[in-house]
Order: sequence, then structure tokens, then C-alpha cells
Amino acid sequence: SQTIHQWPATLVQPVGSPLSLECTVEGTSNPNLYWYRQAAGRGLQLLFYSIGIGQISSEVPQNLSASRPQDRQFILSSKKLLLSDSGFYLCAWSRGTGRESGAFFGQGTRLTVV
Amino acid sequence: AQSVTQLGSHVSVSEGALVLLRCNYSSSVPPYLFWYVQYPNQGLQLLLKYTTGATLVKGINGFEAEFKKSETSFHLTKPSAHMSDAAEYFCAVIPKDSNYQLIWGAGTKLIIKP
Repeated sequence: SQTIHQWPATLVQPVGSPLSLECTVEGTSNPNLYWYRQAAGRGLQLLFYSIGIGQISSEVPQNLSASRPQDRQFILSSKKLLLSDSGFYLCAWSRGTGRESGAFFGQGTRLTVV
Repeated sequence: AQSVTQLGSHVSVSEGALVLLRCNYSSSVPPYLFWYVQYPNQGLQLLLKYTTGATLVKGINGFEAEFKKSETSFHLTKPSAHMSDAAEYFCAVIPKDSNYQLIWGAGTKLIIKP
């Protein structure tokens, strides 16, 4: 069966510090991968998605970047965090676009920038 | 562009009462349809989906949803609410005429009164 791991679960970082969140998927190959953010009281905002190694699409201009160094690894980064980067970050994967089975989510990372 | 509307950011029902969470999509071509549930500080879990076939779809935890093409709707229901159903629920679609990924509603927070 497929599993998705996302870590850490919680993170408190000072403004201006770097960020690295990692997500890995097991039990499948060539998944589509996604990073979402949920700000307090708001819905899901797609930040990045990837259809293959080294192929990253950004949905919104921001202080963050993503990389996919391996088929089942997706990393969210920032060189200098802003207060507005606080939120709940979710990694997800799908088979293709997810038409038949939807997307499968990790447990999320609660990031607080102080 | 395709959009998803969830009526009511918060819905409150008594324990044992009917749960009805509304979702409408905007396209003339029916998309693939999904409902997800999110418990506090956790990732999203797929409740049910409609791709083809029978328009009444049953999911986990006693939930079901009915696809109504004429109303462009995919409302989520459960006959009898349980305290454990308290969570946030998201409706999402994938348009059939694109290779894009999930388009999300804003979410509805379900509150269960004892």
C-alpha cells in the first residue's frame, strides 16, 4: 500500500531563518506531488505541484520554493522566512492528475514564524 | 474558470440529526467530484468520490453524496450525526476537460451539538 510521510509535525522558526520541509511517498512510482498551505481560517492554497523529477510548477508568487530531487521526494524551502509564511503545510500525492482516486495527504506541518 | 462553492463556512447540527453539507460546481461539463474530511491538525482524508456510474455514492463513516447534474451539485449527507463527525469538510473537483489538478471549495466546519 502507499504511504506518505511528512515532517516535522510542528515547527517554530524565527523570522529570517531558513526552512526545509520534507515529504516522501512510498509504494508508488512517478506520483504527482503537491504542496498546499492552509492559513488560519482559510481554505487550501496550492503552492507547488510536480509531475516528475526536477519538474516544478509554482501556483503563486511567494517566498517559498520547492524541489523534487528524487521520484518520491518533495521538499519545500525558504531562504528567509516571513511572518506571513506561518500556516499549516500539507504535502499530497496523486496518480496522474488524481481523476480516478483523488489526492492523498500527509499529516501536515504546523509552521509558526515568530 | 472552474470554481467550487460550499455554502456555509460553519454548519451546526445536533447529535443524531441529519447532516447536509452543500457543494456546487460551476462547469457545464460535470467534473470528477470529491469530498474530503480534515480533523484538527491533521491532513485531509478522502471520504468519497464520484467519477462515473451510480450518482449516489457511499463513503466512509456513514457519509454519502449524490451527484445531480441538473443542479451542478454534489451535496454530502449523513442520516445521523455523531460527535466524532466534528471536523472540516472540503469539496473538490477535477475538470474532465483539462489535465489540471484538484480545485477546492473553501471548506465547511461541521459543529455537533450534544
